[in-house]
Amino acid sequence: DGGITQSPKYLFRKEGQNVTLSCEQNLNHDAMYWYRQDPGQGLRLIYYSQIVNDFQKGDIAEGYSVSREKKESFPLTVTSAQKNPTAFYLCASSTGTSGKGDTQYFGPGTRLTVL
Amino acid sequence: KQEVTQIPAALSVPEGENLVLNCSFTDSAIYNLQWFRQDPGKGLTSLLLIQSSQREQTSGRLNASLDKSSGRSTLYIAASQPGDSATYLCAVYAGGTSYGKLTFGQGTILTVHP
Repeated sequence: DGGITQSPKYLFRKEGQNVTLSCEQNLNHDAMYWYRQDPGQGLRLIYYSQIVNDFQKGDIAEGYSVSREKKESFPLTVTSAQKNPTAFYLCASSTGTSGKGDTQYFGPGTRLTVL
Repeated sequence: KQEVTQIPAALSVPEGENLVLNCSFTDSAIYNLQWFRQDPGKGLTSLLLIQSSQREQTSGRLNASLDKSSGRSTLYIAASQPGDSATYLCAVYAGGTSYGKLTFGQGTILTVHP
């Protein structure tokens, strides 16, 4: 099956801890994205990567970090510097080749709760 | 700064009704507009993508239109079914230095009751 997987589905973090959310895709897509969704709000872009070993900050990158060492993987670390990390986190990917906005395919999401 | 607004925030209809969801955006310089569906606690599923040069796209009972000059899009759902109940989100892609960046609306929560 081709698609995007995210793990874990639910994650609990204590104050002051860093946690890493996993995102893997086997669609052979070049571009990958991380979004945050809060109740009653649309998605907001955290980071995106157009190609391996390259990534750019989105609108709300503060307190987050990413890496893109492999084409199929784009992990997101939520650091202790993120003051309000409780949210639903969504990973997406696209071919990234048209330069005019390809369809983005989304994973099932990770719900992060700070205890 | 691009802003996307969806109206209404929530909609409840009886099964079988035809319905329209609205999406408006402030900057008409877009490459495309996408409509997504989100079930509770799940990821997003792409429904339709309309390029800026297109006026509409159709998929089954869904029809999306785009009026770029007025900054508006509508998603028309024909003969609604309880299985259509979900949150529907629209997103616009502006291109240029914002490569790959979609700006999302807040969504419309649709409930179709039997």
